[in-house]
Amino acid sequence: DQQVKQNSPSLSVQEGRISILNCDYTNSMFDYFLWYKKYPAEGPTFLISISSIKDKNEDGRFTVFLNKSAKHLSLHIVPSQPGDSAVYFCAASDRGHDMRFGAGTRLTVKP
Amino acid sequence: ETGVTQSPTHLIKTRGQQVTLRCSSQSGHNTVSWYQQALGQGPQFIFQYYREEENGRGNFPPRFSGLQFPNYSSELNVNALELDDSALYLCASSAPGQRGTEAFFGQGTRLTVV
Repeated sequence: DQQVKQNSPSLSVQEGRISILNCDYTNSMFDYFLWYKKYPAEGPTFLISISSIKDKNEDGRFTVFLNKSAKHLSLHIVPSQPGDSAVYFCAASDRGHDMRFGAGTRLTVKP
Repeated sequence: ETGVTQSPTHLIKTRGQQVTLRCSSQSGHNTVSWYQQALGQGPQFIFQYYREEENGRGNFPPRFSGLQFPNYSSELNVNALELDDSALYLCASSAPGQRGTEAFFGQGTRLTVV
């Protein structure tokens, strides 16, 4: 059962514009959400997280928004840079248990 | 401070064989989790070890087993390999009390079963 879904397998944006990556989840017990970035031949790297008690968390160019009623979160990257091109995974955990990952979205930022 | 390292990086095995994958955790981390990432999918949780004891398991059959050693390094063993076991296997280490923010992943082991 896929409890975390990323419905867009790919996204292409122009350098300097905003990238918006979306994620939906079904398990209402999830209380912590994370975004990881993965380059080819490397393991996923933690990017940003948000607790279910918040609706927004910002770190530099990266902002994560959480809409609990819609069971939806999104990652905004502003401005997008070519070095941001990677696969982005959304993940969720329930009270510190294992992380459940989405299938990933491949972001391409064109110069 | 060393990162998470996995060995080998690539491996080819024949169906029915057994395989052992290894992971050295980040310095100071006593929790190790293993994930399987099939092509085009996100990582799927296999199991987690905390202080040498299994501390949670995903929906994987018993032929997937693990160990954690006193230095917190870990092994993933898979018996009776099947073609569908072909995947990238990722190890992640974290410190106690962390909620994934400090889960550091290794580069993975690419297993191909033929």
